[in-house]
Amino acid sequence: QQQVKQSPQSLIVQKGGISIINCAYENTAFDYFPWYQQFPGKGPALLIAIRPDVSEKKEGRFTISFNKSAKQFSLHIMDSQPGDSATYFCAASGKLTFGEGTQLTVNP
Amino acid sequence: EAGVAQSPRYKIIEKRQSVAFWCNPISGHATLYWYQQILGQGPKLLIQFQNNGVVDDSQLPKDRFSAERLKGVDSTLKIQPAKLEDSAVYLCASSLARLTEAFFGQGTRLTVV
Repeated sequence: QQQVKQSPQSLIVQKGGISIINCAYENTAFDYFPWYQQFPGKGPALLIAIRPDVSEKKEGRFTISFNKSAKQFSLHIMDSQPGDSATYFCAASGKLTFGEGTQLTVNP
Repeated sequence: EAGVAQSPRYKIIEKRQSVAFWCNPISGHATLYWYQQILGQGPKLLIQFQNNGVVDDSQLPKDRFSAERLKGVDSTLKIQPAKLEDSAVYLCASSLARLTEAFFGQGTRLTVV
């Protein structure tokens, strides 16, 4: 039951570059959209979240852009660093439903 | 603040055996989730509790999986009997309420052989 679709599956960027990950959702009742970061052997940890009454939210190098009419949202990581290399998941609530994940690699 | 505690960290069992996982959420968190994460995939919600009541268990294979939340605090997830395809990491998460940050434990890695 795929209600949140995420792309790309994997992403390689150079240090200092911009990483962009996209998600699309189906259920218009979803009203909370978090992004999680997961390192190997660890549980996911909240990175940043947005509610549908705003179109953009920025926290440090991380920005969520939200397009309610298109039912899409994206994560932008500015000035990407090797320490950002991890798997990123978008999610949507209602019930907390996750996308399939994007494995980000930032090369030094 | 203590995080979400899960045990055991690793478990290897033979197919058709039973297994149980335990989760202790962050104190005061009313919402508790169990997820199954197969290698290379996103976490899949198995069951969500609000206090000790079930909010959603639509993706829980009820013929073999069961879960309970005792007195609205600790929770156990049981698989009986286990199948090879149950090999995964089982994650527990908790949040103060719906639509607030969910904190995850480190998970239990289950291998069914």
